[in-house]
Amino acid sequence: GAVVSQHPSRVICKSGTSVKIECRSLDFQATTMFWYRQFPKQSLMLMATSNEGSKATYEQGVEKDKFLINHASLTLSTLTVTSAHPEDSSFYICSARDPRQDNSPLHFGNGTRLTVT
Amino acid sequence: GQNIDQPTEMTATEGAIVQINCTYQTSGFNGLFWYQQHAGEAPTFLSYNVLDGLEEKGRFSSFLSRSKGYSYLLLKELQMKDSASYLCAVMDSNYQLIWGAGTKLIIKP
Repeated sequence: GAVVSQHPSRVICKSGTSVKIECRSLDFQATTMFWYRQFPKQSLMLMATSNEGSKATYEQGVEKDKFLINHASLTLSTLTVTSAHPEDSSFYICSARDPRQDNSPLHFGNGTRLTVT
Repeated sequence: GQNIDQPTEMTATEGAIVQINCTYQTSGFNGLFWYQQHAGEAPTFLSYNVLDGLEEKGRFSSFLSRSKGYSYLLLKELQMKDSASYLCAVMDSNYQLIWGAGTKLIIKP
């Protein structure tokens, strides 16, 4: 079945540094990928929709310059958290839908737990 | 506005049956999804309903009534490993997923 791979699974970084998270669709081409953030004991929050070959669409309240999204190919989207701060510590999850299947469910990567010290 | 409602938390006994309800009000409807999410992990897909009725998949079943804006996830023969959060999500007319806050299911021996 369709698989989405996300890397790294865990990252610890110092405040002020940048962190890049990769999301790959392994056996299908995804023109659209979705980036979510989840704080402890809270629901998934959509941050942005990544569109291959064009600019990402950000949800209200999400800073475009802080969370840089690049979707340079049909199988890879990256999220870069720039100048990270402790409040950015969270669980970041990417997802994509297999366009070959009508109303395909979202397939999620395993998530990246970011800790900013 | 768009809204998905599901109970915050439920408790059930190992071996029993539990039903998790979800009601929704969305701009259009293109299907309803149920996901399971264990603590610290990403969600995993459980079921998809777009037509009214019951979809059975092993110990898990999902029901949909579009006229009532209502769905439930039924878990039978509960096992300790079923302790997780269960997320209800509806795809609206723009094919965007609207997420519920999730129901934390606690299984007791």
